[in-house]
Amino acid sequence: DIVMTQSPDSLAVSLGERATINCKSSQSVLYNSNNKNYLAWYQQKPGQPPKLLIYWASTRESGVPDRFSGSGSGTDFILTISSLQAEDVAVYYCQQYYSTPLTFGGGTKVEIK
Amino acid sequence: EVQLVESGGGLVQPGRSLRLSCATSGFTFNDYAMHWVRQAPGKGLEWVSGISGNTDSIHYADSVKGRFTISRDNAKNSLYLRMNSLRAEDTALYYCAKDKKRGWDAFDVWGQGTMVTVSS
Repeated sequence: DIVMTQSPDSLAVSLGERATINCKSSQSVLYNSNNKNYLAWYQQKPGQPPKLLIYWASTRESGVPDRFSGSGSGTDFILTISSLQAEDVAVYYCQQYYSTPLTFGGGTKVEIK
Repeated sequence: EVQLVESGGGLVQPGRSLRLSCATSGFTFNDYAMHWVRQAPGKGLEWVSGISGNTDSIHYADSVKGRFTISRDNAKNSLYLRMNSLRAEDTALYYCAKDKKRGWDAFDVWGQGTMVTVSS
C-alpha cells in the first residue's frame, strides 16, 4: 500500500500570507506512460464533505480560486495557498489514486494566526 | 446539477449488518467509477471501496475486505455498500464519491454522508 504522509499536522498563517502544505508518498505516483502524477488535494471545512481542489498534482479543479496551486512530482508534493483568506480555514488532504487501495494523507489543519 | 445523497446509516450492534445507499442524479451514472469513503469522528479520510462503471473492477480497503460488499444498479443510478460483521471501529460518517473520469481518478463530487454507529 502507498502511505501518504503530510506535514505539518497544523499551521497558523496570517491573512494574506502564504501557506504551504507538504505531502510525501511512500512510492512514486508518477505514471511514466502518460507522465502524470496521480495525486489530488482536497479541502474539508467543518461539517462539510471534502471538496476537490487539485488533481494530476497541479491541475486546478473548475471554480477553485487561483491562489491555490499544486506542485511536485514522483513522491514529493506541495499545496500552496498564495494569500490566505478567512474562508480557507479548513483541513487539507492529499490523496493518491495511482493504485488501490487508494490512500489519503492524515490531513493538515490550516488556521488564521 | 450533480447530486449524491446517501442513506441507510444508523445505530447498529456489533456483529450485525447494514446496507448503505447512494442515490445519484445529474450525470450519466454508468460512465463513472464510484466510491465509498469514511471518516471516523474527529479523524481523517479513509477510502473504503470503489467500483467501476461497468462493475468489472472492484476494490476494497484491507480493513473491510471480506465483510463489506460494494455494488451498483446502473438502471437506478444508485450505489450501495453492504456491511456485515460490523465492528466498533467501523463507526464513521460514510461518504459516497464520484470519480472525475471513467477510470480510477480524483473524486470530484461528494455526498453529505450518512452516519454509522456501531455500539451495543
